Amino acid sequence: GAVVSQHPSRVICKSGTSVKIECRSLDFQATTMFWYRQFPKQSLMLMATSNEGSKATYEQGVEKDKFLINHASLTLSTLTVTSAHPEDSSFYICSARTGQGNWVGELFFGEGSRLTVL
Amino acid sequence: EDKVVQSPLSLVVHEGDTVTLNCSYEVTNFRSLLWYKQEKKAPTFLFMLTSSGIEKKSGRLSSILDKKELFSILNITATQTGDSAVYLCAGTVIGGSNYKLTFGKGTLLTVNP
Repeated sequence: GAVVSQHPSRVICKSGTSVKIECRSLDFQATTMFWYRQFPKQSLMLMATSNEGSKATYEQGVEKDKFLINHASLTLSTLTVTSAHPEDSSFYICSARTGQGNWVGELFFGEGSRLTVL
Repeated sequence: EDKVVQSPLSLVVHEGDTVTLNCSYEVTNFRSLLWYKQEKKAPTFLFMLTSSGIEKKSGRLSSILDKKELFSILNITATQTGDSAVYLCAGTVIGGSNYKLTFGKGTLLTVNP
């Protein structure tokens, strides 16, 4: 199946710093990438939908100035957590969609990035 | 608001048992239902269901969708300890160029030897 690479897999940072997480589709072009957040023992919560070359669409309650998403190419999207605080500590997962337009396609996930803010 | 509800939330069985996991959905402009298995990291894809009544199988796993009842089940026969994981279902919506996935809370399956 398609491969989505996410980096870094784990990051520990101090409060107030910014952290960038990369998501790459390795063997296909992803017109749409999604960023999820998962707290322990909870399900995946969609944060934002990222379309190549356009601004990301954020879900209600997600601060777009805090979680900056850039989708500069068809194979790369980045999530930057700005001025991170301990409550931002979580598991962040990206996914990429193989379908385009109304074709459903499949959705493949990266390995996830565990962020710990001290 | 789109909603996906899974049941049970957790399940403990012995190796060799058969389990059925449930997923009901209320999703506007529904296109497909996806099942994923999540162990320690990111979810891995199991099935995508778009048509009602057609069973999809992969080894000991099978799944079927009932679009009339807005319901899907995931069956696992002859369970093994390696099946222990959280099983997630998600409904997908497509409206124009908008594609969205809504996840249920998952079913935590524990298979004991």
